[in-house]
Amino acid sequence: SSELTQDPAVSVALGQTVRITCQGDSLRRFYASWYQQKPGQAPALVIYGKNNRPSGIPDRFSGSSSGNTAFLTITGAQAEDEADYYCNSRATSDVHVLFGGGTKLTVL
Amino acid sequence: QVQLQESGPGLVKPSETLSLTCSVSGGSISSYYWSWVRQPPGKGLEWIGYIHYSGSTNYNPSLKSRVTISIDTSKNQFSMKLSSVTAADTANYYCARVSGSRLYDFDYWGQGILVTVSS
Repeated sequence: SSELTQDPAVSVALGQTVRITCQGDSLRRFYASWYQQKPGQAPALVIYGKNNRPSGIPDRFSGSSSGNTAFLTITGAQAEDEADYYCNSRATSDVHVLFGGGTKLTVL
Repeated sequence: QVQLQESGPGLVKPSETLSLTCSVSGGSISSYYWSWVRQPPGKGLEWIGYIHYSGSTNYNPSLKSRVTISIDTSKNQFSMKLSSVTAADTANYYCARVSGSRLYDFDYWGQGILVTVSS
């Protein structure tokens, strides 16, 4: 399969923990990367590899996976975390790049 | 700090060719892969393709027949051409640097350029 599936929308209370999911066959072989996109801005890489954060990304962001599902966890969500989140990966059978459809996170 | 900047026309007529350039500053274009990603207004991200500084390319199968990505290391720029455009190609187009060997970690992005396809 060459698709990554995300829930369209998720909400979390301020200060609580939220987990955003991404499903796809390719995730059985490849760790997902995660991007945060705020309105009017370019996406920004927040998690890559098994669970790596680029410089400047708060440690409340973490990544994990199980089977064909990848998870982005925000522990202690802040108001500034309200954004769209996209996962991506490689396709299973070739080197093409896949993106999930995105999850809109609302911080209540 | 690496910076990327897209440039090109904001309006393209249907059936014509969309041409964009990404200028890279703050670092060399060599030793990396470079990619184009687009996002229709209000929709999700779509990978278009990437190019290695050596010139090797890989494209999204859904766009492969219409897209060409090239690189000019002397100018620290890479470019994209998308032919036979339709309204469905209206989108924000981003250029991005590909980090590492997995080829899907995009660590630096341009601000994006909105291209509208309309007569």
